Amino acid sequence: DTAVSQTPKYLVTQMGNDKSIKCEQNLGHDTMYWYKQDSKKFLKIMFSYNNKELIINETVPNRFSPKSPDKAHLNLHINSLELGDSAVYFCASTKGQGNTEAFFGQGTRLTVV
Amino acid sequence: GQQVMQIPQYQHVQEGEDFTTYCNSSTTLSNIQWYKQRPGGHPVFLIQLVKSGEVKKQKRLTFQFGEAKKNSSLHITATQTTDVGTYFCVISGSARQLTFGSGTQLTVLP
Repeated sequence: DTAVSQTPKYLVTQMGNDKSIKCEQNLGHDTMYWYKQDSKKFLKIMFSYNNKELIINETVPNRFSPKSPDKAHLNLHINSLELGDSAVYFCASTKGQGNTEAFFGQGTRLTVV
Repeated sequence: GQQVMQIPQYQHVQEGEDFTTYCNSSTTLSNIQWYKQRPGGHPVFLIQLVKSGEVKKQKRLTFQFGEAKKNSSLHITATQTTDVGTYFCVISGSARQLTFGSGTQLTVLP
């Protein structure tokens, strides 16, 4: 069983569209995260959720909105996609709040054309 | 938030040579983690260091945490082609966020 799974793995879409990326973890972890990785491999945290509450919201455009229906899921919704949104997005989870091992999903490669 | 600098950004080595990546912070860290990301893959946890001056080994990998808990290093002895990937140090900030270093992309030439 995959510990952290995210779908889709690849997403190609046109500018201006709205899209969602789903993430689920079956580890019983308390905190989930979304990271964006650019072409230079920089990993930047976007959001984290702990017990269904947003505890960090980095300076990302408000076109990005995390949605957590329950502790095991943290989905990422993106409105009005732009070319600069093209990147690999990773979901991750930790048992505690940031000071324990993080488990990552396989990543979603988003390409905006 | 807390930041961590990681060098070098890129490293090319001949198979069998050693490799080291370094992370430095201007503030004292509670702990530091190391992750490896294979090409096309996702970050995978390698280790966490907590104690001042701590040294941990995993086969050919040696991890160190500085005495002042402001720096850390990962050393690979006698690299192999399976070591190819990007190595990240990761710190836990005061806001309980996991902040990644910029990473070191290792290429091992056969």
